[in-house]
Amino acid sequence: GENVEQHPSTLSVQEGDSAVIKCTYSDSASNYFPWYKQELGKRPQLIIDIRSNVGEKKDQRIAVTLNKTAKHFSLHITETQPEDSAVYFCAASIAGGFKTIFGAGTRLFVKA
Amino acid sequence: GAVVSQHPSWVICKSGTSVKIECRSLDFQATTMFWYRQFPKQSLMLMATSNEGSKATYEQGVEKDKFLINHASLTLSTLTVTSAHPEDSSFYICSARARSELVYNEQFFGPGTRLTVL
Repeated sequence: GENVEQHPSTLSVQEGDSAVIKCTYSDSASNYFPWYKQELGKRPQLIIDIRSNVGEKKDQRIAVTLNKTAKHFSLHITETQPEDSAVYFCAASIAGGFKTIFGAGTRLFVKA
Repeated sequence: GAVVSQHPSWVICKSGTSVKIECRSLDFQATTMFWYRQFPKQSLMLMATSNEGSKATYEQGVEKDKFLINHASLTLSTLTVTSAHPEDSSFYICSARARSELVYNEQFFGPGTRLTVL
């Protein structure tokens, strides 16, 4: 089955710096890659997603890139702010398979 | 749009009792709902996939007789933790996949239910 690995597990950056989180997946049939932000005790919130027919997507300070050949995708947050501090999860899903497999999560700390 | 609710938001129960958690899609029809469990500082672990009108599909290692799932309508799925024990204490989150999402698996999450078994 699908396996998603996520790195790093913890990331600490200074406010204003960029943060990059990387994920790899195992099943080449995966075609949907969402990223979620989860604050303590709350539901995961979709922040951006990318589909296999594009290589990059950007939404203000957040961007995601996808390399289908290498089977990895990354989240980039620029000009980080303290409110970006949270746990971020990448995920991968296979068309028609319905299941979404989550990475282990990255705890991001943005220091003011 | 795409709002998913969960009830209750938290519950404390005694060991041996059963607890029912409801997951509702409020403004869309969900052909598929997913149930996850999340332990502190860990990722979301898929427990089962629930399709309206059919039996749920459980992930390996999840006891179907202990975690009963009923997806009675396109807007409601329930998870019943039977004979709960302290090790079942966790954050249970449901998500729903819209009927229109035939190709991509975009899901919408409920707010979660924190279960504490004494």
